[in-house]
Amino acid sequence: QQPVQSPQAVILREGEDAVINCSSSKALYSVHWYRQKHGEAPVFLMILLKGGEQKGHEKISASFNEKKQQSSLYLTASQLSYSGTYFCGTKGNAGNMLTFGGGTRLMVKP
Amino acid sequence: KAGVTQTPRYLIKTRGQQVTLSCSPISGHRSVSWYQQTPGQGLQFLFEYFSETQRNKGNFPGRFSGRQFSNSRSEMNVSTLELGDSALYLCASSLRRPKDTGELFFGEGSRLTVL
Repeated sequence: QQPVQSPQAVILREGEDAVINCSSSKALYSVHWYRQKHGEAPVFLMILLKGGEQKGHEKISASFNEKKQQSSLYLTASQLSYSGTYFCGTKGNAGNMLTFGGGTRLMVKP
Repeated sequence: KAGVTQTPRYLIKTRGQQVTLSCSPISGHRSVSWYQQTPGQGLQFLFEYFSETQRNKGNFPGRFSGRQFSNSRSEMNVSTLELGDSALYLCASSLRRPKDTGELFFGEGSRLTVL
């Protein structure tokens, strides 16, 4: 079953922060985050494995709450280059297929 | 290191025809996954191949099929095309070894238009 992302779209000014949420109705083994810029292929950001870990990638970090089956992506001090569609993907166990949410469109304006 | 290569990049077909799309993974990657991307549905999983075997399959009709060759290259086929099959078809490769991070490397896709 497809994870649910919220919000569906968000508009920010440069330097503002944003949070994108991803929730699943099933127990999760891992959560994967990707960013896709317009007209380009999705690009990997990070993977979080069950255990409640938090990861960071420059000013982009994420958390994974396996009990709540939720993950959040945090974008701090957003830059114009952060614009794009963010997808979360989930796996129920290591061998499962990666199922993506519907995406969150993020636009950062000057 | 060459990325994931998909061919053709663009194609136009008519209803009822069939189409074959090709994907060459990154050298050394043995897993290939296919996704259908449409504006309304996001990224929908089609299937995953590893070592020439289909390991996972998404919820698509039997008109959608795929295969993987011994060199890890993969093809997907859609028969009896319908208007709703118009989409960007993305291929992604990964190492898929134990302790593999599971990162997918996507190609730029094949954009199919069905008239």
